[in-house]
Amino acid sequence: KAGVTQTPRYLIKTRGQQVTLSCSPISGHRSVSWYQQTPGQGLQFLFEYFSETQRNKGNFPGRFSGRQFSNSRSEMNVSTLELGDSALYLCASGTSGNEQYFGPGTRLTVT
Amino acid sequence: DAKTTQPPSMDCAEGRAANLPCNHSTISGNEYVYWYRQIHSQGPQYIIHGLKNNETNEMASLIITEDRKSSTLILPHATLRDTAVYYCIVRFNAGNNRKLIWGLGTSLAVNP
Repeated sequence: KAGVTQTPRYLIKTRGQQVTLSCSPISGHRSVSWYQQTPGQGLQFLFEYFSETQRNKGNFPGRFSGRQFSNSRSEMNVSTLELGDSALYLCASGTSGNEQYFGPGTRLTVT
Repeated sequence: DAKTTQPPSMDCAEGRAANLPCNHSTISGNEYVYWYRQIHSQGPQYIIHGLKNNETNEMASLIITEDRKSSTLILPHATLRDTAVYYCIVRFNAGNNRKLIWGLGTSLAVNP
């Protein structure tokens, strides 16, 4: 079974731009969660989607948004990029149960 | 939300058991303890989870104290490939609200 895939793997953007990241979950998984990882803050939860509905959200500004499609693929969007948004963005998929399976992440650099 | 406390770093000799502690003194009755690890530049990898009983799988064992305020992840025969950051996290579960609260983890160095 293929793992979680994330595209693109690396991205460089400038301040003020917007960016869209994509995540394809493991086949059959309906839950997709997004995390931001920075060296000083560790992994911080952004939001979780299940069957196209956002069912949980972390403490991030409204510039961070996401959505999930009927095939469970998910996208997250960050508008008006700031230097502090430079991070590794991780996507994790799961069933409605317990463990989550992470993708390799998208490394976003904002200059 | 329950938080976890882990030592920032640990060392272990190759072939020996690695015992990674975690404190979660504010855990509530319906919260599970999860362990993940992250090898440099990769996404976190699920290891094991438990509620109150000890658990074992092909990767590791999880020992949870009777009062559930702390736990220990045991890698029985550590190898160099086990060098990673290990995260102990508690799953907050309230109806459909479910998220994992991550700390900074323990950086485990397995030495030859």
